[in-house]
Amino acid sequence: DAKTTQPPSMDCAEGRAANLPCNHSTISGNEYVYWYRQIHSQGPQYIIHGLKNNETNEMASLIITEDRKSSTLILPHATLRDTAVYYCIVPMDSSYKLIFGSGTRLLVRP
Amino acid sequence: EPEVTQTPSHQVTQMGQEVILRCVPISNHLYFYWYRQILGQKVEFLVSFYNNEISEKSEIFDDQFSVERPDGSNFTLKIRSTKLEDSAMYFCASHALTDTGELFFGEGSRLTVL
Repeated sequence: DAKTTQPPSMDCAEGRAANLPCNHSTISGNEYVYWYRQIHSQGPQYIIHGLKNNETNEMASLIITEDRKSSTLILPHATLRDTAVYYCIVPMDSSYKLIFGSGTRLLVRP
Repeated sequence: EPEVTQTPSHQVTQMGQEVILRCVPISNHLYFYWYRQILGQKVEFLVSFYNNEISEKSEIFDDQFSVERPDGSNFTLKIRSTKLEDSAMYFCASHALTDTGELFFGEGSRLTVL
């Protein structure tokens, strides 16, 4: 998988936006960026994915830079339940084999 | 909302015993996976399965491991002779046949080997 780099931890206040960065400078033109999260020891949960354009769904927004070398996951109004480890993943092929790194541990403070 | 279900949620076994972990993927999905997570460590890919055969496996997935889709709904992971280091959460996942798309994970089966 294309190597991704994320900060090990972040925190934000409840109700505020959480902006989680990810660098993927070796990404190739047809590789998607996926975001998953893992709350405590539960199964990873899909959040969003994108190729070039910014994407938004009911959970989050994904902003991808024009050169595609980095992206930011935005949780617009973080809640305590958003406390989790967030993973930015770029699968190399179409097998959907996800390689999880260490992710960013997000702590949402009351 | 459709979901991937796994059983058992927790299994305790003695070293050397055989263990079977079961998964029911989402009904119209065609690609199936097993991942594991040792306590405090990363989620690790074990194996992918498509069209009734293994499509890819990791170095972790040695001869002690096997997968099977015995019927149209279940997807199982068997560990023939468990070792202490097999203690982990095991996650099953599936996805539909689309160009891109999300991987749906189950809640996991915790295996404790004594």
